[in-house]
Amino acid sequence: GQSLEQPSEVTAVEGAIVQINCTYQTSGFYGLSWYQQHDGGAPTFLSYNALDGLEETGRFSSFLSRSDSYGYLLLQELQMKDSASYFCAVRDRGTALIFGKGTTLSVSS
Amino acid sequence: NAGVTQTPKFQVLKTGQSMTLQCAQDMNHNSMYWYRQDPGMGLRLIYYSASEGTTDKGEVPNGYNVSRLNKREFSLRLESAAPSQTSVYFCASNQRGTDTQYFGPGTRLTVL
Repeated sequence: GQSLEQPSEVTAVEGAIVQINCTYQTSGFYGLSWYQQHDGGAPTFLSYNALDGLEETGRFSSFLSRSDSYGYLLLQELQMKDSASYFCAVRDRGTALIFGKGTTLSVSS
Repeated sequence: NAGVTQTPKFQVLKTGQSMTLQCAQDMNHNSMYWYRQDPGMGLRLIYYSASEGTTDKGEVPNGYNVSRLNKREFSLRLESAAPSQTSVYFCASNQRGTDTQYFGPGTRLTVL
């Protein structure tokens, strides 16, 4: 079957660094994406990795290891506004994405 | 550009009633999707349309039908609503071959 595993909750303090892991098992693989969703809002795209390695976008970075079927989202210099849910997603075939169940990040002062 | 729009924002139905959720995008995207989101379950794909004129089932299609009316619009229909369909419904779109999906604001549906 197809599945994505990520922790359900992560807590951290302002200014810290947090890593949200994602492992996947899919029949095909075209890339790993990350989405952010604030409470009650629409998910918004954060980053995408098709190849192994690290992609950096400001305070956020995303990493992929295709051989390990593993990736992570790294958030640096955490701010209160980073409190949200974060979803990893895989495109295994065609055009549709499969989403993980999400990780709720709580940032405290 | 409005991006992806959804109507209505909120809806309450009684068991057995029918309704159609509307979605439109103005980004000229080929592909459109309907997801449902339940607490602790993430986003689950109901149906998608890879391009105008095609639709395919996702992970949880039972109880739903879709219509890709044209390139801009993709509607989701509940023929006979059930309490298990109480959820938040998101529509999304993207350019075929890319992984960046753009989501609408969601429809919060309660079935009593």
